[in-house]
Amino acid sequence: KQEVTQIPAALSVPEGENLVLNCSFTDSAIYNLQWFRQDPGKGLTSLLLIQSSQREQTSGRLNASLDKSSGRSTLYIAASQPGDSATYLCAPNDYKLSFGAGTTVTVRA
Amino acid sequence: DVKVTQSSRYLVKRTGEKVFLECVQDMDHENMFWYRQDPGLGLRLIYFSYDVKMKEKGDIPEGYSVSREKKERFSLILESASTNQTSMYLCASSSLVLQAGHEQFFGPGTRLTVL
Repeated sequence: KQEVTQIPAALSVPEGENLVLNCSFTDSAIYNLQWFRQDPGKGLTSLLLIQSSQREQTSGRLNASLDKSSGRSTLYIAASQPGDSATYLCAPNDYKLSFGAGTTVTVRA
Repeated sequence: DVKVTQSSRYLVKRTGEKVFLECVQDMDHENMFWYRQDPGLGLRLIYFSYDVKMKEKGDIPEGYSVSREKKERFSLILESASTNQTSMYLCASSSLVLQAGHEQFFGPGTRLTVL
């Protein structure tokens, strides 16, 4: 069974700082890995999808890396803004998604 | 844009009632999923379906059943609701097409309270 760990559990930074969110998973036999954002009481918004053959994926201020062999992914958010405050979830996909507990980010204005 | 919709944002039911949660996607996706999300436990997969009339148990299927009569619609059924089924329920869909990368798209969620 896939086990997913996200560190740190919570993060509070001043506006403008870069964010680094870590994800580790136990089974490297995955198709891809998705990063999601969840606002309180809302559904999940897909941020990035990294295929198992890729090392990284970028979208705007977001960059995600994947080291499948070591079971690690990192999400970088550059120049954080208060609107980035949310919970971020990583989910490796071996046909089913397995979720970590998430990292709750607070960006202070 | 992929759109996944869920029939209700908030639902309040009584113990023992039969509850239907509906999910519809408009992108002709083959795969559909039902998850529940609870504080401290994260998201857990209840059931999924990879084709019409096909279903597979996820990690926590007990107390639930599903129905997929049409490709775009996937229903979660609580045969006899109990208070421990109070939760946020999330539906998702994905394509089987390789180029689509099996990316999952989520609906807005239904917060179910069982009294």
